Amino acid sequence: AQKVTQAQTEISVVEKEDVTLDCVYETRDTTYYLFWYKQPPSGELVFLIRRNSFDEQNEISGRYSWNFQKSTSSFNFTITASQVVDSAVYFCALKKTGTASKLTFGTGTRLQVTL
Amino acid sequence: EAGVAQSPRYKIIEKRQSVAFWCNPISGHATLYWYQQILGQGPKLLIQFQNNGVVDDSQLPKDRFSAERLKGVDSTLKIQPAKLEDSAVYLCASSLGAGGIVYNEQFFGPGTRLTVL
Repeated sequence: AQKVTQAQTEISVVEKEDVTLDCVYETRDTTYYLFWYKQPPSGELVFLIRRNSFDEQNEISGRYSWNFQKSTSSFNFTITASQVVDSAVYFCALKKTGTASKLTFGTGTRLQVTL
Repeated sequence: EAGVAQSPRYKIIEKRQSVAFWCNPISGHATLYWYQQILGQGPKLLIQFQNNGVVDDSQLPKDRFSAERLKGVDSTLKIQPAKLEDSAVYLCASSLGAGGIVYNEQFFGPGTRLTVL
């Protein structure tokens, strides 16, 4: 069975602070994908990143960066110099490779960025 | 390019009533998904269609939930009769294909927020 744990329910930061959202996953599969999605108050899930289990290189995209560590089954997400527009619920998700496999989501972390 | 469309955006019903949600995926997307997102939780897949065939409905409560995608494009999700615990946001998503060697991203619609009183 697959499981995704996001232990941080809610995080509050002041604008311009850096913040890291934690994600720990469990799977018996050797090949899988990991994802981060953003869910703003409008409700739509916005895709942020997908990583293949073969690729442990960290990735940076603007103010966003992701740290994938297979040894600790973690896929953490850091926002540098946070902004008010980053306020949202962030979900980590896991999917094994294959046509009929489903996305397994964590319970989400609500990020509140204030001025 | 138009995104995934869903209607209605909000629905309030009383328990034991019936309700239906509609989803129009991105043009050309063969795979369509319905997710249920209960407040404070992550989305949970209810059903996955590949064209008009069902790929996975293992988590669909089939005694009260049904879904169809007759022409392989639009889809409807129905609940009959509704229970209090069905209060949730119902998200529709679509992708070019179901994946495999080449992964196809899922694009999500805005969701329908259902409140059962």
